Amino acid sequence: EPEVTQTPSHQVTQMGQEVILRCVPISNHLYFYWYRQILGQKVEFLVSFYNNEISEKSEIFDDQFSVERPDGSNFTLKIRSTKLEDSAMYFCASSVEEQYFGPGTRLTVT
Amino acid sequence: DAKTTQPNSMESNEEEPVHLPCNHSTISGTDYIHWYRQLPSQGPEYVIHGLTSNVNNRMASLAIAEDRKSSTLILHRATLRDAAVYYCILPVVGSQGNLIFGKGTKLSVKP
Repeated sequence: EPEVTQTPSHQVTQMGQEVILRCVPISNHLYFYWYRQILGQKVEFLVSFYNNEISEKSEIFDDQFSVERPDGSNFTLKIRSTKLEDSAMYFCASSVEEQYFGPGTRLTVT
Repeated sequence: DAKTTQPNSMESNEEEPVHLPCNHSTISGTDYIHWYRQLPSQGPEYVIHGLTSNVNNRMASLAIAEDRKSSTLILHRATLRDAAVYYCILPVVGSQGNLIFGKGTKLSVKP
């Protein structure tokens, strides 16, 4: 069964550094998403992406965040200057109808 | 956007049916009802969705009230692997189905 993959599984970075989280969505899917989950809290929507552009973004997705689909398979989330409060699990998802989530990348900002 | 209300937690015994309720009294006529679950230390996983009629798939059944103000996710025989947080979600109207997760129902399954 096709699945969404994410790399790395765990990323540790220092405050102020840039990080890129990578996702490979399911190949025939058209819609792509990023969500995050701070430890012990709800899953939060960050951004949706369709036809090579952002469709919607939440208040969390400020100028420090960007997304890109650099080629036909990868979908990336970049955080330009990480803050301590960016520490969370970041989930990528893709869909035609229902959303399929990846296993997540645990980002730890020290 | 329509909101959902779910119990914080429920318990079940292994191999017994589980009925997980969800209230969505402000649902609009075009809102689909989606259920996702999140197993410990994993990403959310799609379970089932429906509009008006009851739905069945290999994972579960979804019973939707006639007035659509509530629904029930039914696991016919709970297994230990079904222990998870279950989310009843109405995707954001006018969006590409962006999911707004609440706290969900934490289901515990006892052997």
